[in-house]
Amino acid sequence: DQQVKQNSPSLSVQEGRISILNCDYTNSMFDYFLWYKKYPAEGPTFLISISSIKDKNEDGRFTVFLNKSAKHLSLHIVPSQPGDSAVYFCAASFGNEKLTFGTGTRLTIIP
Amino acid sequence: EAGVAQSPRYKIIEKRQSVAFWCNPISGHATLYWYQQILGQGPKLLIQFQNNGVVDDSQLPKDRFSAERLKGVDSTLKIQPAKLEDSAVYLCASSLLAGGTGELFFGEGSRLTVL
Repeated sequence: DQQVKQNSPSLSVQEGRISILNCDYTNSMFDYFLWYKKYPAEGPTFLISISSIKDKNEDGRFTVFLNKSAKHLSLHIVPSQPGDSAVYFCAASFGNEKLTFGTGTRLTIIP
Repeated sequence: EAGVAQSPRYKIIEKRQSVAFWCNPISGHATLYWYQQILGQGPKLLIQFQNNGVVDDSQLPKDRFSAERLKGVDSTLKIQPAKLEDSAVYLCASSLLAGGTGELFFGEGSRLTVL
């Protein structure tokens, strides 16, 4: 069963505009959420995280929003830059348990 | 600071053959993970070590996959015999903290193709 879902396999955004990547989860026990970014032929790298006690976390151009009632989180990138082109994975965990990853969204920034 | 090292980067084998992957985590990271990423899917945890003890191997196909972490540092993941569906990228990761709240540092992965 897919407990973490990223329903958009791909997304294209104009450089300078906002990129919004979405993630839904089904397990209400999840209490920690992360976003990872992956370039081709490289391993994923940590981008930003949020605890379930918050609804927003910001780090420079990256902001993650959490809507617990909807079991939905989103990653906003503004302004989008060409170097942001990558595959983005959301991941979730509860307690001290393992991370469950989504299937990823390929973001392409158009110059 | 050196990152997570993995080898080999690429491996092509025929079904029923065996293969082994090696991982050297970031120095000082007690927790080590092996993930399997099949094309078009997200990484799936195969096994998690805390030092040299196994914390979670619930999704490891134990009839064909084995992993060990000697002396709580390097780790090897072995597949014997390989099946076509084992074609994937095998990612090793390490973290300072155990569980899901610690940032995971991934290696570049070992891409396995089973023919």
